[in-house]
Amino acid sequence: GENVEQHPSTLSVQEGDSAVIKCTYSDSASNYFPWYKQELGKRPQLIIDIRSNVGEKKDQRIAVTLNKTAKHFSLHITETQPEDSAVYFCAARKAAGNKLTFGGGTRVLVKP
Amino acid sequence: EAEVAQSPRYKITEKSQAVAFWCDPISGHATLYWYRQILGQGPELLVQFQDESVVDDSQLPKDRFSAERLKGVDSTLKIQPAELGDSAMYLCASSPTSGGSGRANTQYFGPGTRLTVL
Repeated sequence: GENVEQHPSTLSVQEGDSAVIKCTYSDSASNYFPWYKQELGKRPQLIIDIRSNVGEKKDQRIAVTLNKTAKHFSLHITETQPEDSAVYFCAARKAAGNKLTFGGGTRVLVKP
Repeated sequence: EAEVAQSPRYKITEKSQAVAFWCDPISGHATLYWYRQILGQGPELLVQFQDESVVDDSQLPKDRFSAERLKGVDSTLKIQPAELGDSAMYLCASSPTSGGSGRANTQYFGPGTRLTVL
């Protein structure tokens, strides 16, 4: 089955700096890669996603890049703000069935 | 904006007792998922329903866990008997569909039920 690894497990950045989280996946048939943000005590919420026919996608201060050959994808947050502090999860999915396999999560702390 | 509802939000039980969690997906969503999230880890799929049918329960410990979605709307996840290792957050999610590659199969999560087994 699919295996998703996520690094780093914790990330501390100064407000205004950039944060980068990296994920690798094992199944080359995976074609959809969402990122979820989970604030303390709250539900995971989708913040951005990318499909395998696209190499990069941006939405304001967040962007995701995908390298299908190397089977890795990354989340980039620019100009970080204290409200970006949360746990971020990457996931991978194959076309059939919609089963998401999640990475272990990255706890991001933005220091004011 | 419609959201996935879950209850209870918190549950404390003793080992060997039975527990049940309830999920009400976003109206019209055909696909419903139950995940278990152990503290410090990512969610892991336990069971997936398409309408009232189970389409994936490969990671569900069937000796003690059961799930149903009788009318294809809300769902119940049961654990009997509960064990210490079952302490975790149980998340429910729903999506409009489960196939293809469009936004129609984006998964929306509920707030979860945090289970503590003593």
